[in-house]
Amino acid sequence: QKEVEQNSGPLSVPEGAIASLNCTYSDRGSQSFFWYRQYSGKSPELIMSIYSNGDKEDGRFTAQLNKASQYVSLLIRDSQPSDSATYLCAVNGERTYKYIFGTGTRLKVLA
Amino acid sequence: EAQVTQNPRYLITVTGKKLTVTCSQNMNHEYMSWYRQDPGLGLRQIYYSMNVEVTDKGDVPEGYKVSRKEKRNFPLILESPSPNQTSLYFCASSPSTSPYEQYFGPGTRLTVT
Repeated sequence: QKEVEQNSGPLSVPEGAIASLNCTYSDRGSQSFFWYRQYSGKSPELIMSIYSNGDKEDGRFTAQLNKASQYVSLLIRDSQPSDSATYLCAVNGERTYKYIFGTGTRLKVLA
Repeated sequence: EAQVTQNPRYLITVTGKKLTVTCSQNMNHEYMSWYRQDPGLGLRQIYYSMNVEVTDKGDVPEGYKVSRKEKRNFPLILESPSPNQTSLYFCASSPSTSPYEQYFGPGTRLTVT
């Protein structure tokens, strides 16, 4: 069974700090990696996608991928209370539209 | 406004009574998917569709049917719902230009008693 693992949290960080969210996956054939943000009672919203090893930055968000270690992470710089949400990691394989999601990490940014 | 819509948003039904949850998108997206979200289990993909008349199973297809007769619509059918299908259901769509970047609908909360 292909799996995506995340620490459920909650991860609490003070406002202005860097939040670091981590995700590991079991399928070495996974090719595409995604981070979604889900506010309580709302639908998931895509915030980052990454397809190759290394870092990808978009505003305050940085996604990091290490395929050798089967590890993907999301860094949120200058965390704001509005960043408080559950962050879902998702992966899929090459040329497939089957997605495996992690159970999510709940982030709380304390004002 | 570009969006994915789902109906109904909330539904309480009884075991065995056939139901359909509709999903429609106005973005001319080729790809559409259905997910269920359960506490502790996360989002799990039920079915997906790459285009009209092309569908395939996700991780948890048992007890569900789908059809894709028009590009904009992707209904989820529960022929004989059971209590273990009580869940929060999401529809998602994505364009062929960015097939992996999904836009989710608002969700349908289904309770089967």
